[in-house]
Amino acid sequence: AQRVTQPEKLLSVFKGAPVELKCNYSYSGSPELFWYVQYSRQRLQLLLRHISRESIKGFTADLNKGETSFHLKKPFAQEEDSAMYYCALSASGSNKFYFGSGTKLNVKP
Amino acid sequence: DARVTQTPRDKVTEMGQEVTMRCQPILGHNTVFWYRQTMMQGLELLAYFRNRAPLDDSGMPKDRFSAEMPDATLATLKIQPSEPRDSAVYFCASGLGGPGGNEQFFGPGTRLTVL
Repeated sequence: AQRVTQPEKLLSVFKGAPVELKCNYSYSGSPELFWYVQYSRQRLQLLLRHISRESIKGFTADLNKGETSFHLKKPFAQEEDSAMYYCALSASGSNKFYFGSGTKLNVKP
Repeated sequence: DARVTQTPRDKVTEMGQEVTMRCQPILGHNTVFWYRQTMMQGLELLAYFRNRAPLDDSGMPKDRFSAEMPDATLATLKIQPSEPRDSAVYFCASGLGGPGGNEQFFGPGTRLTVL
């Protein structure tokens, strides 16, 4: 069965420090992986997807099929990065998403 | 800038009352999703429609929840009777169906409080 695990509920870092939000998945096929972000009292919005292989707002994420991970990274965190981050998986041939439980990132000044 | 809209934005009701939440997907999108967000569980998929047909509602308590799409511009989620444990933020999302995963566009959510 498909499953997305985000082991950290809360991650606190200081401004300028590197940040890594962990995401592990279980899926036997070829998944599509996404990161969604929800800023305070706003709607969820797509941050990035693995097939795009792009950097958004300084964030990158690499799909590691060997470790079944899709960790989100940023070398220098900014206060405006404070938000809730959700990792999501879409099974091949399906429009259905499986979301992780989310990680709240708090960037301190 | 097309967006998913949801009404109401906030709803406070008493236990036992019926609650109806509405969603207008982005025009042209043929997939619609209902999610429930809580602190403990994060985002849970309740129901999923493609071309207005329900494809998956396994995440929805069947005895009190129902989801419908009366037409392509309206999706509804109904709770009857509501219970305090239903208090959560309910999100609707829409997307373009097709092979593989496609971006889901989320509405602003309905914050439901059942007293």
